[in-house]
Amino acid sequence: NAGVTQTPKFRVLKTGQSMTLLCAQDMNHEYMYWYRQDPGMGLRLIHYSVGEGTTAKGEVPDGYNVSRLKKQNFLLGLESAAPSQTSVYFCASSYSRDRGYLVATQYFGPGTRLLVL
Amino acid sequence: ILNVEQSPQSLHVQEGDSTNFTCSFPSSNFYALHWYRWETAKSPEALFVMTLNGDEKKKGRISATLNTKEGYSYLYIKGSQPEDSATYLCASGNAGGTSYGKLTFGQGTILTVHP
Repeated sequence: NAGVTQTPKFRVLKTGQSMTLLCAQDMNHEYMYWYRQDPGMGLRLIHYSVGEGTTAKGEVPDGYNVSRLKKQNFLLGLESAAPSQTSVYFCASSYSRDRGYLVATQYFGPGTRLLVL
Repeated sequence: ILNVEQSPQSLHVQEGDSTNFTCSFPSSNFYALHWYRWETAKSPEALFVMTLNGDEKKKGRISATLNTKEGYSYLYIKGSQPEDSATYLCASGNAGGTSYGKLTFGQGTILTVHP
């Protein structure tokens, strides 16, 4: 099993350009998440999905859109990139329940480093 | 937005030292407290999930405790080794609205173990 994979690993964008980050998981997890990680800020939730065709906003959703057309894939889009979106983006996935716990362990991808000039 | 705080922000210890750090989280509508270990250039990996007041978990030299009434968790590392150097993240799962199993992460404690 590959676990959680992210594409691309690194990208440089100019302000105003658009791009899509792809997250794929092969663990049949129901839930998927996109986080951004900035120095001194920890991991902040951008958007998440509880199932195919369903998405919801997290803590810092502005400037991002997401789609979950297939259970195994979760896409994060930047329509018009801004320097403030320079960050490391992590995707994660989890079961809806894990050993009876309501909040399940999240499994993380390797991250995508994005630089917006 | 829930507030999960970790202290200290960073810690330097010598090989063989035992150490501990703290995670404080909202105690209201609490479901679970997670600890993750995050090595440089890698992804966060789960260490423990705890849900009940008084829970204690152990994995090798690393252990954790949970106090849900006062909203804190301690992570202990006994006999630190250089390979324990990492950022240790805690994350709280609290219900309310459409939580859907969302976790709120702390900023992490950066541990450096010197040989």
